Amino acid sequence: NAGVTQTPKFRVLKTGQSMTLLCAQDMNHEYMYWYRQDPGMGLRLIHYSVGEGTTAKGEVPDGYNVSRLKKQNFLLGLESAAPSQTSVYFCASSYFEAWGSGANVLTFGAGSRLTVL
Amino acid sequence: GNSVTQMEGPVTLSEEAFLTINCTYTATGYPSLFWYVQYPGEGLQLLLKATKADDKGSNKGFEATYRKETTSFHLEKGSVQVSDSAVYFCALSDSDQAGTALIFGKGTTLSVSS
Repeated sequence: NAGVTQTPKFRVLKTGQSMTLLCAQDMNHEYMYWYRQDPGMGLRLIHYSVGEGTTAKGEVPDGYNVSRLKKQNFLLGLESAAPSQTSVYFCASSYFEAWGSGANVLTFGAGSRLTVL
Repeated sequence: GNSVTQMEGPVTLSEEAFLTINCTYTATGYPSLFWYVQYPGEGLQLLLKATKADDKGSNKGFEATYRKETTSFHLEKGSVQVSDSAVYFCALSDSDQAGTALIFGKGTTLSVSS
């Protein structure tokens, strides 16, 4: 059971270049998320999806786009990379625990380290 | 808005020492609370959770109690090991609505030496 898989694990871009990060989950989770992790900032939500074909903005969406064409995949795109987007990106997916427990439990991928020069 | 505040790190302890990492939150309603752990080079893993006031979450010797009166969810372990060295994140889910994202604190780095 692979869980949540992110590709690529590492990438170096030049300012203005574009790229796409791929997240794939094999747990049949309905919900998927993209976070970025920066030193001293914790994790901040970029975009999320509550189902196939749906996306929504999180706390820091500017400069990113996402797509959820298939339930198992959630893509994060950078159209014109900037040095401020140098970060470690984490994808996560979740199900909603059995009715009554009320806890939305996230499973994370191993991360993608992006450097923009 | 909703937020989570954790104690600043790094926390440096000797093996078998007692650990406390403080976490307080601000939220409307009745959030669910979580502790996640991130080992070097890896993603975050759920360590424990609590979904209502006075609940105690526990796992691998770690415990945290949901205290609504002090809006706190402090992480404790009676005797830490070198293998507990990691970054610990406190988080909340401010809604029972399915698909609600987590709000994370900034993380606390724990370093345990033998």
